[in-house]
Amino acid sequence: AQSVTQLGSHVSVSEGALVLLRCNYSSSVPPYLFWYVQYPNQGLQLLLKYTTGATLVKGINGFEAEFKKSETSFHLTKPSAHMSDAAEYFCAVSDYNQGGKLIFGQGTELSVKP
Amino acid sequence: DTGVSQDPRHKITKRGQNVTFRCDPISEHNRLYWYRQTLGQGPEFLTYFQNEAQLEKSRLLSDRFSAERPKGSFSTLEIQRTEQGDSAMYLCASSLDWAGNTIYFGEGSWLTVV
Repeated sequence: AQSVTQLGSHVSVSEGALVLLRCNYSSSVPPYLFWYVQYPNQGLQLLLKYTTGATLVKGINGFEAEFKKSETSFHLTKPSAHMSDAAEYFCAVSDYNQGGKLIFGQGTELSVKP
Repeated sequence: DTGVSQDPRHKITKRGQNVTFRCDPISEHNRLYWYRQTLGQGPEFLTYFQNEAQLEKSRLLSDRFSAERPKGSFSTLEIQRTEQGDSAMYLCASSLDWAGNTIYFGEGSWLTVV
């Protein structure tokens, strides 16, 4: 069965500092990997996704993530945090056997200090 | 706005009452998903449709829950005899027919059972 582990339920960074949100997955077949962001009382918005091809994926708002098969990881990074990045971030996994449904991690709340 | 829309956004109901949520997916999307999210947790898969066919149901979807997607367009999620444990946000999402496609989420419907 697929699963996702997000290390750290809460991450706090200073404005302008590097953002690193960790995600490890478990999948018996090649995975499709996603990062979503959720602002309070709102739905989820896709930041980026990896399906096939280049393992370094660039997304919206300056975020990027790298698929590392050997480490079963898909960590999310942003070189310089902005106050508007404060939100909940979810990593998710799917594959061609799953009908497209996503299995989500528990989420990481990102706080950005001025 | 051509995104996924959900109605109502908020519902407060008394324990034992029935509630129904509606979801209108992005018009050309043939896959439609329902998820449930409680505070501090990632979304949990409930069920999904390919056109009008309900292809998978999670064990979380007890017999008090029923979902339909008549004619493969909008969908409804009904909860009968609500319990306090049903209090959550119910998220609808839609996508095109491929596991790696982006799944677009609605704003969610908050249910509070008192």
